[in-house]
Formats: sequence, structure tokens, C-alpha cells
Amino acid sequence: GQNIDQPTEMTATEGAIVQINCTYQTSGFNGLFWYQQHAGEAPTFLSYNVLDGLEEKGRFSSFLSRSKGYSYLLLKELQMKDSASYLCAVMDSNYQLIWGAGTKLIIKP
Amino acid sequence: GAVVSQHPSWVICKSGTSVKIECRSLDFQATTMFWYRQFPKQSLMLMATSNEGSKATYEQGVEKDKFLINHASLTLSTLTVTSAHPEDSSFYICSARFGRAETQYFGPGTRLLVL
Repeated sequence: GQNIDQPTEMTATEGAIVQINCTYQTSGFNGLFWYQQHAGEAPTFLSYNVLDGLEEKGRFSSFLSRSKGYSYLLLKELQMKDSASYLCAVMDSNYQLIWGAGTKLIIKP
Repeated sequence: GAVVSQHPSWVICKSGTSVKIECRSLDFQATTMFWYRQFPKQSLMLMATSNEGSKATYEQGVEKDKFLINHASLTLSTLTVTSAHPEDSSFYICSARFGRAETQYFGPGTRLLVL
């Protein structure tokens, strides 16, 4: 079967750095996506990785290792507005997105 | 770029009525649109995938006669919840993508409350 694993919940402090991990087992691989979803809102696209390595976009970075079936989302200089759920999704060989259950990130002052 | 709109944002209706939700890609042509449902504090659940000009593909357990999906153009898909019941109350979200390997962009969602 196909599955995406990510922690259910994480807590971090404002101004700190947090890393949200995602491991996956899918039928084929056509890229990995990270989305942010604030409570009561729709997801918004954060990043896309298809090759190994680190993609940096402002305070957010995403890393991929295809051989390990592993990705992480790194958030720096955390702000209270970063409190949200972070969804990892992998596009399989049929170009279907397989979704993780999401990681709820709680930022404390 | 990559803006997706949904209308309406909120719907309150009586049990037994039908509700239509529109999803539009505003600045790109969406060859594929997706409809999701999300209950409070739960994960996104894919309901169906629709390609322009063809019938939607429904996920297991989703009644296609209850959730009618039409994708008549490259910028518009509609979801009609027929004979809505209180258990259909949920957050319905559409997403769209240009090509099969492209990023999905989400609409803002529609909250449906069936009384």
C-alpha cells in the first residue's frame, strides 16, 4: 500500500527553528509537495521537490532524499502566524497525490 | 498567478435540498480539478477527480449520484450535493492543476451546513 507518515503534532517557540519530517512509501514518485493549512481555511502551496536536495524559499526550506523516501520542511525564525497544519503529499506514478494526515504546529511565545 | 476561486463561501440549507458549488481557475486553464471534503479536525479526503470534458472519477465510498460533478470547461467545475442531509455538512474544497505533473492549487473552500 501507499502511505505517508508525519508527526501528528509539534510545539515550538517563537523565533526558533522547527523541522517537520515526512516519510513515504508510494507506487512511483513524481514529486513531493508541502502545503500549509490554517484552521478553518483551505491549504496553500508551500514547496515542491522532485530532485534530491534542499529548496529554500525565504524562511521555509524543504529537503528531499528519494533513496530514503524522506523529506523535511524547515521553518526558521518562527512567527505566531506559522501556527498551522503542514501537509506532506507525494505524487505517485499515476500523478495522483497521496496525502499525509498533516502535522499540527503549535507556536508558543 | 495560480488563483482558484470557489462560490459560495458559505451555504446553509434545509435537508433535502440540492446545493451547487462552483470552482474556477482564474488565471490558468485547469485540465484537472479535484474535490475534497474535510470534517473538523480531520484530514483532507479526496472525493473525486474530474478532467475537462470527461466524467469524474470518484473515490471509493463516495456516491456519484449524490455528489454530481461537472467539468464543462477548462476553468470551471461544479459540485452539486443532491438531497443534502445533515451528515453532508462539511468543508468542501476544490483544487485545480494545469497539467498532470503540476502543482494543485486550492480554492478557499465552501462551508456547507445542512439543517
